[in-house]
Amino acid sequence: DTEVTQTPKHLVMGMTNKKSLKCEQHMGHRAMYWYKQKAKKPPELMFVYSYEKLSINESVPSRFSPECPNSSLLNLHLHALQPEDSALYLCASSPGTTTGELFFGEGSRLTVL
Amino acid sequence: EDQVTQSPEALRLQEGESSSLNCSYTVSGLRGLFWYRQDPGKGPEFLFTLYSAGEEKEKERLKATITKKESFLHITAPKPEDSATYLCAVRVANAGGTSYGKLTFGQGTILTVHP
Repeated sequence: DTEVTQTPKHLVMGMTNKKSLKCEQHMGHRAMYWYKQKAKKPPELMFVYSYEKLSINESVPSRFSPECPNSSLLNLHLHALQPEDSALYLCASSPGTTTGELFFGEGSRLTVL
Repeated sequence: EDQVTQSPEALRLQEGESSSLNCSYTVSGLRGLFWYRQDPGKGPEFLFTLYSAGEEKEKERLKATITKKESFLHITAPKPEDSATYLCAVRVANAGGTSYGKLTFGQGTILTVHP
């Protein structure tokens, strides 16, 4: 069982809605990540948080807004999304950003109507 | 530009038929090569980390090896439950010589094991 927990598992939203994806880990990891994965494609990095501070933003549109309230929690706030944003959103954590493997959650399947 | 290429794209095996998956990489400053397994609709499950040429890791029917240009995931006597997409990813050093959290993934190999 994964030690990275994501909620909700499934989310359907309209283009004018505001919703959030949540991620939690209790492994004491200091780096957390958001990845986006489209069908039959590999995961693509969106954001990296290191010690609760945003360290990497891979030129993600502002309709995606990450937040790291503490070292165990990571949120992704969604607003005014487009249908092409429908995808599996994966959260991951690692001990730090420079070494160690990433552990992924089960993902949140997002559908934008 | 850092590149990771996996082959084959898809592999069909009979139960018990051993084979290997390939991950070729062209990167400037490797800081780790990772193998993951991903089941449909689920997040990637960590399998192995390899850091330098000659290193080997094993887990049940899987064995990962690495050279300076490629890594192999060897599957011995596979079972139907080994069917999944296998992803290879690399962490590279940035311009300052350190590394950061970005993993560059290959496109994956879809493995199907028939009973």
